[in-house]
Amino acid sequence: GIQVEQSPPDLILQEGANSTLRCNFSDSVNNLQWFHQNPWGQLINLFYIPSGTKQNGRLSATTVATERYSLLYISSSQTTDSGVYFCAVGVGSSNTGKLIFGQGTTLQVKP
Amino acid sequence: EAGVTQSPTHLIKTRGQQATLRCSPISGHTSVYWYQQALGLGLQFLLWYDEGEERNRGNFPPRFSGRQFPNYSSELNVNALELEDSALYLCASSLDYGFYEQYFGPGTRLTVT
Repeated sequence: GIQVEQSPPDLILQEGANSTLRCNFSDSVNNLQWFHQNPWGQLINLFYIPSGTKQNGRLSATTVATERYSLLYISSSQTTDSGVYFCAVGVGSSNTGKLIFGQGTTLQVKP
Repeated sequence: EAGVTQSPTHLIKTRGQQATLRCSPISGHTSVYWYQQALGLGLQFLLWYDEGEERNRGNFPPRFSGRQFPNYSSELNVNALELEDSALYLCASSLDYGFYEQYFGPGTRLTVT
């Protein structure tokens, strides 16, 4: 089955620093989403980005579907950015409803 | 606009009992998904319901089942609970059958003792 690999697994930053999180996937995808899991466990939608580039404030994301990777950029990080970031993909030409999640990147932003 | 809601927030059960978890999708969404996040196992797809029908299920035993009601809300039932069923159960919804963004609820944390 498809492999979804996120890197790095852990990241520690000082407040104000920039970071890039990567998601590699082993097959063509019909859906790709980035999430931030808050301390209470809820998944917060960051981007729905099966291809192309999007920006939302200090966050931006790029998916290069032909090369099977996606990048999440966080600029001027804040302590509230701390948490686990997940990439999730849907695969296949027909919709299975299933998102396959990577193992996540745990980000800690220090004041 | 209200997001996906789930109840209860926490649920404590004894091994062998049954658990029922509930989910209400975003208004206008017809598809509901269930995922399990168990410690050390990551987030795994459980079930997908659309228009009252089960459309797909993940690699889970039959004691995990559910249904979707005419108002598109859903419930997940877990029978004969085992200790390893302890996990965060997340529900998501999307517009309909097509390739759409999934939006997640706050989850139900199930503890089996």
